[in-house]
Amino acid sequence: DTEVTQTPKHLVMGMTNKKSLKCEQHMGHRAMYWYKQKAKKPPELMFVYSYEKLSINESVPSRFSPECPNSSLLNLHLHALQPEDSALYLCASSPQVGVNTEAFFGQGTRLTVV
Amino acid sequence: DAKTTQPNSMESNEEEPVHLPCNHSTISGTDYIHWYRQLPSQGPEYVIHGLTSNVNNRMASLAIAEDRKSSTLILHRATLRDAAVYYCILTRNNNDMRFGAGTRLTVKP
Repeated sequence: DTEVTQTPKHLVMGMTNKKSLKCEQHMGHRAMYWYKQKAKKPPELMFVYSYEKLSINESVPSRFSPECPNSSLLNLHLHALQPEDSALYLCASSPQVGVNTEAFFGQGTRLTVV
Repeated sequence: DAKTTQPNSMESNEEEPVHLPCNHSTISGTDYIHWYRQLPSQGPEYVIHGLTSNVNNRMASLAIAEDRKSSTLILHRATLRDAAVYYCILTRNNNDMRFGAGTRLTVKP
């Protein structure tokens, strides 16, 4: 199983809502990543988790709150988002930070904030 | 952080080779060169990576200049399914995979 599964595929939320994006992998990978991608732009790195600990936060606003409850699961909690946060949110995993090898990406959650 | 520079777009004919260039003049000795591609409506997909020597796999070849300031991704026979945005990324140990603008490849039948 070389899949990174993201749910939901699509999400529409209001600016006062709280929602969560979920990412799951069962490849035994210990590095997991969140990216944000606006239309016709490259993915932007948001967070990196290594062995369930946050190792990189690219100065992301606190309305985005990541969580890595176990080695297979990565969540992104959303609260009080703005319309400009509408984007494709991509999750990725790789065997571990410190080893150069391929990363696997999910298909993303397309988020619309209204 | 070392940056990469790629052409915005390139065109190729089907079944012909494609050479996608990437400049990374500020690369450091510990930076690996990774290539990913993103097909329409999909997440990025790993293509190939290398450090100093040229690399081949089932998808492509990676040619790295001797001074490592540039590299070229080679698709040996482009197909319509290869139409995608190709990203050249420098990373130290997968910790900081930051995407540049990429090259949009169009493959003409």
